[in-house]
Amino acid sequence: EDQVTQSPEALRLQEGESSSLNCSYTVSGLRGLFWYRQDPGKGPEFLFTLYSAGEEKEKERLKATLTKKESFLHITAPKPEDSATYLCAVMYSGGGADGLTFGKGTHLIIQP
Amino acid sequence: DTGVSQDPRHKITKRGQNVTFRCDPISEHNRLYWYRQTLGQGPEFLTYFQNEAQLEKSRLLSDRFSAERPKGSFSTLEIQRTEQGDSAMYLCASSFMTGRGYNEQFFGPGTRLTVL
Repeated sequence: EDQVTQSPEALRLQEGESSSLNCSYTVSGLRGLFWYRQDPGKGPEFLFTLYSAGEEKEKERLKATLTKKESFLHITAPKPEDSATYLCAVMYSGGGADGLTFGKGTHLIIQP
Repeated sequence: DTGVSQDPRHKITKRGQNVTFRCDPISEHNRLYWYRQTLGQGPEFLTYFQNEAQLEKSRLLSDRFSAERPKGSFSTLEIQRTEQGDSAMYLCASSFMTGRGYNEQFFGPGTRLTVL
């Protein structure tokens, strides 16, 4: 069973069409949930860290929220340059020490 | 502003050959991580160092893989007797660990390995 599940696998939006990406996790003892953006052929780029349920963080058109079992990445009025794969990862007690456990990502395409 | 750097960016090798990758972390970071990523998957944790000590290895890290971080600076990842299944992007990340456990990992551009 996957410990981190992201949905949808792929999402195509029109420019300006807001939406949300989901990351659900089954691990216990969450120490942190991380969102990254990855462009093709490049390493992941750090976006946000969330530590506890109810926490929210914002950066430009992106807003990340966290509940006890899932996180959402809200994208408001996206632009074509927001097209990328968005990865969610968790760090938890009893996991690979401080290694991150990643989901498979959501491939987001924003059409002009 | 220098981020994490990796060398080479691309490596093509024949099955059975040995390969070595290098990672230079952000200079003030005390932790260094190696991950592997295959197409359509998220990165998978391999191993990490705090300063020069290798503190954890994933079960994914077979005996053919070895990593070092001499003097707690740059790190190398060596794969001996490469197999086609080793073809992947190898990612390095670094972080600064504090007593609070603050641990945002910053990734390099990766080394793409193709084993023929």
